[in-house]
Amino acid sequence: AQTVTQSQPEMSVQEAETVTLSCTYDTSENNYYLFWYKQPPSRQMILVIRQEAYKQQNATENRFSVNFQKAAKSFSLKISDSQLGDTAMYFCAFMEAAGNKLTFGGGTRVLVKP
Amino acid sequence: ETGVTQTPRHLVMGMTNKKSLKCEQHLGHNAMYWYKQSAKKPLELMFVYNFKEQTENNSVPSRFSPECPNSSHLFLHLHTLQPEDSALYLCASSQDDGGAEETQYFGPGTRLLVL
Repeated sequence: AQTVTQSQPEMSVQEAETVTLSCTYDTSENNYYLFWYKQPPSRQMILVIRQEAYKQQNATENRFSVNFQKAAKSFSLKISDSQLGDTAMYFCAFMEAAGNKLTFGGGTRVLVKP
Repeated sequence: ETGVTQTPRHLVMGMTNKKSLKCEQHLGHNAMYWYKQSAKKPLELMFVYNFKEQTENNSVPSRFSPECPNSSHLFLHLHTLQPEDSALYLCASSQDDGGAEETQYFGPGTRLLVL
């Protein structure tokens, strides 16, 4: 079974600065997808970014980028130029390429301070 | 309405009550999911439906009974729940056609409190 670990329960960052969230996973699969989801206090889970394991290039979405290290089974999220609206829980998630089941990490609470 | 909607947003029920949670997706997706989000625990997948057929039951107690009448609607029928069932119940949907764009989109959730 796959497992996803987020070792940082909570992080704080000053507005306009950069914060990096860590995520590691365990799988024997070679092809899979990785996701970062954001859950603001309003509770709606929103997709931030996704990465296909077969792609070597790290995914980027505006101020959000990932550092995907397949051999190390690491998938960190970098939030650049942090904004107050980035305050939320961030969940890392794993999905086998052949399936549709998401396995989530425990989440990291990010607080952006003015 | 766009995306994935859930009703009610909040629900308080006694252990002897029967209630239902509703989820509707307006994305034309084929697959729908129920997740449970408890405090201090990772999101747990409960059920998966593909084209109205249940394809996954993650050892969920029978006091939770899902129903998927069509690809756009998903229900979770609740009866004789326990206080430890209090949680945020999230619905999600995805295309699930084996393509590259396999992403799940979530609803806002139903916050359930069992007294």
